[in-house]
Amino acid sequence: RKEVEQDPGPFNVPEGATVAFNCTYSNSASQSFFWYRQDCRKEPKLLMSVYSSGNEDGRFTAQLNRASQYISLLIRDSKLSDSATYLCVGGANFGNEKLTFGTGTRLTIIP
Amino acid sequence: GAGVSQSPSNKVTEKGKDVELRCDPISGHTALYWYRQSLGQGLEFLIYFQGNSAPDKSGLPSDRFSAERTGGSVSTLTIQRTQQEDSAVYLCASSVYGAGTDTQYFGPGTRLTVL
Repeated sequence: RKEVEQDPGPFNVPEGATVAFNCTYSNSASQSFFWYRQDCRKEPKLLMSVYSSGNEDGRFTAQLNRASQYISLLIRDSKLSDSATYLCVGGANFGNEKLTFGTGTRLTIIP
Repeated sequence: GAGVSQSPSNKVTEKGKDVELRCDPISGHTALYWYRQSLGQGLEFLIYFQGNSAPDKSGLPSDRFSAERTGGSVSTLTIQRTQQEDSAVYLCASSVYGAGTDTQYFGPGTRLTVL
């Protein structure tokens, strides 16, 4: 089983819709979680960190469920510019700063 | 300011040759990471440097892979006797402290093709 698993998609969503991705992680000792965004043939860039209490940044909301070991990302009022691959990143443990990346979920926003 | 830079952007080599990939991290960042991304795959951790500490080499796939970081700044990833399965995009990232909560800033990557 992969440490971080995501539905690869693709998700094809009309502009303005709400879309949600889930990601599961297997290492219960993981401490830090992130969502990165990767555009086609570009490097990944941090979208947002994921906090235990949940956090929101504009149209984006991230949630962490430690009991079920999953992370979610919700995008509201989707824009064409949201089209990208979203990488779920499983936390580095204390004293071990490796990040484990999921294979990504591909999202295409349709006009 | 300047971001993470990598060179070359593309490298085509023949099977069995050695290659060197370079990474210039963001100035002042103490932590540097190498990953590789194969087509349709997630990022695979290779090696991590943090300040003057011994690097975490646990992700290197074989002894053909090695990396060094000179003067706490520039890093070189070397692949000896390249194989076709080494073909991938090699990404370098840096962060301020290397803590688990730090943002990692990625370079544009080096696309390696082994013929």
